[in-house]
Amino acid sequence: GDSVTQMEGPVTLSEEAFLTINCTYTATGYPSLFWYVQYPGEGLQLLLKATKADDKGSNKGFEATYRKETTSFHLEKGSVQVSDSAVYFCALSGGGGGADGLTFGKGTHLIIQP
Amino acid sequence: DAGVIQSPRHEVTEMGQEVTLRCKPISGHNSLFWYRQTMMRGLELLIYFNNNVPIDDSGMPEDRFSAKMPNASFSTLKIQPSEPRDSAVYFCASSLRVPNTEAFFGQGTRLTVV
Repeated sequence: GDSVTQMEGPVTLSEEAFLTINCTYTATGYPSLFWYVQYPGEGLQLLLKATKADDKGSNKGFEATYRKETTSFHLEKGSVQVSDSAVYFCALSGGGGGADGLTFGKGTHLIIQP
Repeated sequence: DAGVIQSPRHEVTEMGQEVTLRCKPISGHNSLFWYRQTMMRGLELLIYFNNNVPIDDSGMPEDRFSAKMPNASFSTLKIQPSEPRDSAVYFCASSLRVPNTEAFFGQGTRLTVV
């Protein structure tokens, strides 16, 4: 079935540092890929998405590029802020295997220190 | 739109009691998902509905769990009897029933079974 693997956390960075959170996936079809963010005590919010190979999703300074050849969708941001501290989930849907809905990675807890 | 609405936000109950979690999806969405989030297992898809019909409940952990969707604007997840290992955050999400689309999440119900 479909699966998503993302780097284990927590990831601790200083403000204004460069961020990369790795995500790779396994899917039998042609999935769409997503990054969700979860702030403390809240539900998941869509951060960005890409629906086909070589698409780049971007939002709030975050970017991720759908790389079919490496089955990856790494999240990047050039200069993080304390307010970016949250848990980040990589996810896919429509991969052709498993149930409808989203398949999530286990999440990466990001901590930004001032 | 108010988004996906879940109630209650917090629930504390004694082992053996019945617990009912409620969800109102976004108006017009025809897919609804129940997820469970724990530290150990991350986000797990429990069950999803398309057009009010349960499509896949293979993620429901035991017969103690049941879910219903009597109409397009309401769903329940019931645990009877509850056990301490059911303690988790339960999320409801909804989406349009189109390929590769994102899901919108409620704020979750934090369940504690003592």
